[in-house]
Amino acid sequence: AQKVTQAQTEISVVEKEDVTLDCVYETRDTTYYLFWYKQPPSGELVFLIRRNSFDEQNEISGRYSWNFQKSTSSFNFTITASQVVDSAVYFCALSEEKGGGSEKLVFGKGTKLTVNP
Amino acid sequence: GAGVSQSPRYKVTKRGQDVTLRCDPISSHATLYWYQQALGQGPEFLTYFNYEAQPDKSGLPSDRFSAERPEGSISTLTIQRTEQRDSAMYRCASSQNSVTQYFGPGTRLLVL
Repeated sequence: AQKVTQAQTEISVVEKEDVTLDCVYETRDTTYYLFWYKQPPSGELVFLIRRNSFDEQNEISGRYSWNFQKSTSSFNFTITASQVVDSAVYFCALSEEKGGGSEKLVFGKGTKLTVNP
Repeated sequence: GAGVSQSPRYKVTKRGQDVTLRCDPISSHATLYWYQQALGQGPEFLTYFNYEAQPDKSGLPSDRFSAERPEGSISTLTIQRTEQRDSAMYRCASSQNSVTQYFGPGTRLLVL
């Protein structure tokens, strides 16, 4: 069975600090996808990034970076120089690859990040 | 449309009433998903559609829950005889390539 664990329930930082959100996953499949979504206080769920299991290259997008390590089944998310607007709940998610696509997403419980001015 | 839309955004109902939630996916997207998100939790899969077909409804919690997508575009999720434990955010997502799912704003349901 698939499982996603986000061990950090809540994190609080001061603006401009760097912060890393941890995500550990379990799957028996060799082909799968990993995702991060952001849920700001307004409540919508915003797609941030997708990674497939064959692509272990780290990715950087502005202040955001992601570290995918298959050896430890982790897909961690780092925000550099955090800002108040980064305050949100962040979800890590996993899906299997089926027939060229994927089906359900399995989400972690989320990490609530608060960035204080 | 430009993004996934859901209606209503908020719904308050009394226990035992039926409710129907609507999702309008991104127009080019063949695949549509429904999730239930309890307060303080991550979304949990309910069911999905490829056009009109519904290959997986394993996540529907009981036979009180049903979903339709008769013309392969708009979908509805119906909960019959609502119970207080059905109170949650109901999220719809759509996908063009069956990989990345884009979510709507959700419908927050409160059953009194």
